[in-house]
Amino acid sequence: GAVVSQHPSWVICKSGTSVKIECRSLDFQATTMFWYRQFPKQSLMLMATSNEGSKATYEQGVEKDKFLINHASLTLSTLTVTSAHPEDSSFYICSASLAAEPYEQYFGPGTRLTVT
Amino acid sequence: KQEVTQIPAALSVPEGENLVLNCSFTDSAIYNLQWFRQDPGKGLTSLLLIQSSQREQTSGRLNASLDKSSGRSTLYIAASQPGDSATYLCAVSRGSQGNLIFGKGTKLSVKP
Repeated sequence: GAVVSQHPSWVICKSGTSVKIECRSLDFQATTMFWYRQFPKQSLMLMATSNEGSKATYEQGVEKDKFLINHASLTLSTLTVTSAHPEDSSFYICSASLAAEPYEQYFGPGTRLTVT
Repeated sequence: KQEVTQIPAALSVPEGENLVLNCSFTDSAIYNLQWFRQDPGKGLTSLLLIQSSQREQTSGRLNASLDKSSGRSTLYIAASQPGDSATYLCAVSRGSQGNLIFGKGTKLSVKP
């Protein structure tokens, strides 16, 4: 149980375009989802916390107008990278937290974004 | 600000060896600590979760310990196998429903 999927697994887009990444909890409801990014040979850095039905909370230094997060249901959160630039190329990973102790987080397989 | 450090950054061992990966964190006020495995270009697989009130957890050949007061955790892997080769990440949670703060990982290579 506790499976999280992401779609797409990889995407290549041109500079200036927008791309949407979906994160789904397949067999459980997640009131809270998290979005991380990972640069090569670096660890995961939290971008934002997504709560169902409310606005996302962004970490310092993350542009909320560039990285749009929507958490419309208890099983789906989306991250839209708007006006993408090559420096946005990264590995984006989402996680979903079980709504019960010990609030373990389960991670999706990640999405590799390449902006040309 | 919570910081998580993992030592060593990389480790290469022959198959069959027992090994220890280290994780330290600066703020002992954590909710839980998780160890993950990440294969190249892939997402994270949760290995073990230790709640702040616990001192260790075991799963198969893996054993994780937690000393919250000293800000340390170790992941012990017994009888290592080539399939254990991956990057191992340690992460601490700052509260229930809180995000995880990750270390940079230890890249493990187990040689046949």
